[in-house]
Amino acid sequence: NAGVTQTPKFQVLKTGQSMTLQCAQDMNHEYMSWYRQDPGMGLRLIHYSVGAGITDQGEVPNGYNVSRSTTEDFPLRLLSAAPSQTSVYFCASRRDKHYEQYFGPGTRLTVT
Amino acid sequence: DAKTTQPPSMDCAEGRAANLPCNHSTISGNEYVYWYRQIHSQGPQYIIHGLKNNETNEMASLIITEDRKSSTLILPHATLRDTAVYYCIVRANFGNEKLTFGTGTRLTIIP
Repeated sequence: NAGVTQTPKFQVLKTGQSMTLQCAQDMNHEYMSWYRQDPGMGLRLIHYSVGAGITDQGEVPNGYNVSRSTTEDFPLRLLSAAPSQTSVYFCASRRDKHYEQYFGPGTRLTVT
Repeated sequence: DAKTTQPPSMDCAEGRAANLPCNHSTISGNEYVYWYRQIHSQGPQYIIHGLKNNETNEMASLIITEDRKSSTLILPHATLRDTAVYYCIVRANFGNEKLTFGTGTRLTIIP
């Protein structure tokens, strides 16, 4: 199993540009989540999904959209990038609510 | 989810046991204690979790006090690769997906 994969590893955007961060898992996990981590801080939940076709907001959802058309993929869309969205983004998955989360390697995003 | 308190940093000699404490005095009866670690710039890695009994796996042991207000993660024979930030998290195994990471303990293994 590849586990949780994320692309790209690094990205630089200009203010106002849009882009999609990709996340995929091959463990047939129902639950998937997106977090951001700012320097010296813990992870903050952006959006999550408890199954294909079901998504919900986390604690910092503004400026981001998600969709879950398949069990495997959970892309995160930045609609109009802002410097405040400069961060490291982690995708995670878990089998269901009773199990631990597995994290991807992260995408380091810089918005200038 | 209950709040946790951890020391900001600790050192441990290579080959010795690393004991990382966590206080969670407001933990409720249905909340589990989880430990994750984050090695520099990588995604967090699950280590272990428990409810009230002590737990052990191939990575670590988790000791939870009888009143459940604190716990200790034990890495029995620390190696340089165990240098990381360790997060103690308490959460119920139901409800939303929010996993509240605090600032954790930065563990440095000294050669």
